Amino acid sequence: EPEVTQTPSHQVTQMGQEVILRCVPISNHLYFYWYRQILGQKVEFLVSFYNNEISEKSEIFDDQFSVERPDGSNFTLKIRSTKLEDSAMYFCAKASAQGGSEQFFGPGTRLTVL
Amino acid sequence: QKEVEQDPGPLSVPEGAIVSLNCTYSNSAFQYFMWYRQYSRKGPELLMYTYSSGNKEDGRFTAQVDKSSKYISLFIRDSQPSDSATYLCAMSVVSGGYNKLIFGAGTRLAVHP
Repeated sequence: EPEVTQTPSHQVTQMGQEVILRCVPISNHLYFYWYRQILGQKVEFLVSFYNNEISEKSEIFDDQFSVERPDGSNFTLKIRSTKLEDSAMYFCAKASAQGGSEQFFGPGTRLTVL
Repeated sequence: QKEVEQDPGPLSVPEGAIVSLNCTYSNSAFQYFMWYRQYSRKGPELLMYTYSSGNKEDGRFTAQVDKSSKYISLFIRDSQPSDSATYLCAMSVVSGGYNKLIFGAGTRLAVHP
């Protein structure tokens, strides 16, 4: 199973700034997910994305968050106005090409909000 | 009650030991059960994936699911120092062809030479 790649590996931003986290490249996959992991805590589901639409989102995924697939390959997570508590590892995951339930995670982006 | 409970450890064992890692859960609708390995500040790496109850073996790893007890286990035989990591259990219900994973807190394992 090919790996999911994410950029950047580490993003430092000021509170209130917008950040865009990317999964690249993605091809021939239908199901995508974003998760986050605050340091020392469990991995938490944020949003699932299927056929270019959000299929489910958690209560964490409020109006400050958005996802899109702007060019058919990159899959992005945008946080419009970052807060200190958004500091975490953000993982992109994809379901297997056959649409099964195995999910394969990328290496993550470490977001630090100052 | 948390949906998925997992003892955070740490668990320290000597090289060559058999390691047993466990999770319990409360949602009887869970159908898919996974174990991930995570090294510090890295992404979770899928180790084992099982559907419903039963056992699955892959090399030194064996996953067990007991849905009647809402209990899953991962056994590592002949543990190696390279197995030192955090082990995450995860489970899900598939709805409409997609699913979200619910994770346990992770158990930190240290295998010492």
